[in-house]
Amino acid sequence: SQQGEEDPQALSIQEGENATMNCSYKTSINNLQWYRQNSGRGLVHLILIRSNEREKHSGRLRVTLDTSKKSSSLLITASRAADTASYFCATVAASGGSYIPTFGRGTSLIVHP
Amino acid sequence: EAQVTQNPRYLITVTGKKLTVTCSQNMNHEYMSWYRQDPGLGLRQIYYSMNVEVTDKGDVPEGYKVSRKEKRNFPLILESPSPNQTSLYFCASSLRVAGRFKETQYFGPGTRLLVL
Repeated sequence: SQQGEEDPQALSIQEGENATMNCSYKTSINNLQWYRQNSGRGLVHLILIRSNEREKHSGRLRVTLDTSKKSSSLLITASRAADTASYFCATVAASGGSYIPTFGRGTSLIVHP
Repeated sequence: EAQVTQNPRYLITVTGKKLTVTCSQNMNHEYMSWYRQDPGLGLRQIYYSMNVEVTDKGDVPEGYKVSRKEKRNFPLILESPSPNQTSLYFCASSLRVAGRFKETQYFGPGTRLLVL
C-alpha cells in the first residue's frame, strides 16, 4: 500500500533554477528515502533521512523532514537538464517489523536547457 | 560490477501463454522483491522474499507466482498472462545487516511487458 504522496505530480523548470518536491505520509516512519528514475529505467537511491534527523545534504540535493507535519521535501539546487527524471519518496514504517520502503507515485521533473 | 539483472528487457506475448521474467543479483542480498509500475499508480509491490524459500505477497500478487530456490535468483512467473498485466516490471534487492534489512533497495533495469 502506498504511504508517501509526492507533490507536485509534475514540475517544469529552466536550467539553473531550483526544484522543490514534497512528500507527505500518513503513519509514523523510521526513515524516508528519495529515489530517482530516468525514463523507463530502474530507480536509483538518492538519499535517506531518519526520523530523528531534520535535514541532510548530498551534493546539490537537500532533504528536509518534518515529522510533526509528516512531510519531507527534496530540493535540487542549480538544476541541470540531466536532472530531468521522476523522483519518488519511499517511507519505512516505524513499527510492524517491515524495513522495506513503500513508494509514492512520484514527481515528474523536466528541466529545460 | 554489483548489479541486479532482469531478462528479458522487453516482451510481447499473448493472453494465456505462460512466461517467466528472471531476476538475478550478485550482491549476496537476502531480500528481493518485484514491483510493477503503471502510469499514475507509481510502484506497487507484487511479491517479496526475505530469504531462500521464504516468499510473501505484496500489494498486488494476483496472477503472479514467484520462487526463491537460490539466494541470487528470484523469477517472476505469469502462469496465464492477461492484458491487465501489461506493465513495466522491476526487480529489487536489499542487504540484511545485523539482523535487519538495509533500507536502500537496488533496482534492476526493468522489463517492459505487453500482453495482447
